[in-house]
Amino acid sequence: GNSVTQMEGPVTLSEEAFLTINCTYTATGYPSLFWYVQYPGEGLQLLLKATKADDKGSNKGFEATYRKETTSFHLEKGSVQVSDSAVYFCALSDPNSGGSNYKLTFGKGTLLTVNP
Amino acid sequence: GAVVSQHPSRVICKSGTSVKIECRSLDFQATTMFWYRQFPKQSLMLMATSNEGSKATYEQGVEKDKFLINHASLTLSTLTVTSAHPEDSSFYICSAKPGGGAYEQFFGPGTRLTVL
Repeated sequence: GNSVTQMEGPVTLSEEAFLTINCTYTATGYPSLFWYVQYPGEGLQLLLKATKADDKGSNKGFEATYRKETTSFHLEKGSVQVSDSAVYFCALSDPNSGGSNYKLTFGKGTLLTVNP
Repeated sequence: GAVVSQHPSRVICKSGTSVKIECRSLDFQATTMFWYRQFPKQSLMLMATSNEGSKATYEQGVEKDKFLINHASLTLSTLTVTSAHPEDSSFYICSAKPGGGAYEQFFGPGTRLTVL
């Protein structure tokens, strides 16, 4: 079956520090990969995505590259801000499972706290 | 665009009562909607997938008679927690996927259910 493993948190950084959150996956097919962000008390927002190998997703200074050879999709940001404090979820959507419904499989989430 | 709303955002009910949660896609037609449950400090657990006009498909271990899902129109899905108990207290999140081969899901803001 499909699974997503991401680094356990919590992660605490100072403002302007470099961020990496590791994510690896297993999938039966050729999945699309996503990073979602959840701010306190809110639902999930799509942060970025990549649909094929070597694609780089980017948004709001965050980046992640789809690495098929290492089955990874690590999230990075060069300089974090206090407003980036949230829970980050890595996820995959495998068109080979769930038919056309494209069900998402999530990692456990990583809580990021950025201090001023 | 691609806004999904949930109502109510918070609900408190007595044990044994039923609670209905609505999920609406405000600016697109959602052929598929998903219902998730999120426990504190944990990832999202997919409960069920519903396609407009057909019965929902429940994930293993989810009681379909307890969590009733109706997807009567292309913009509305409802989750009814029947005979709620304190262990049903959780954060329930829906997502909606447009038709036409789109794979991206758009998430609602979530509903916090507390059963006393």
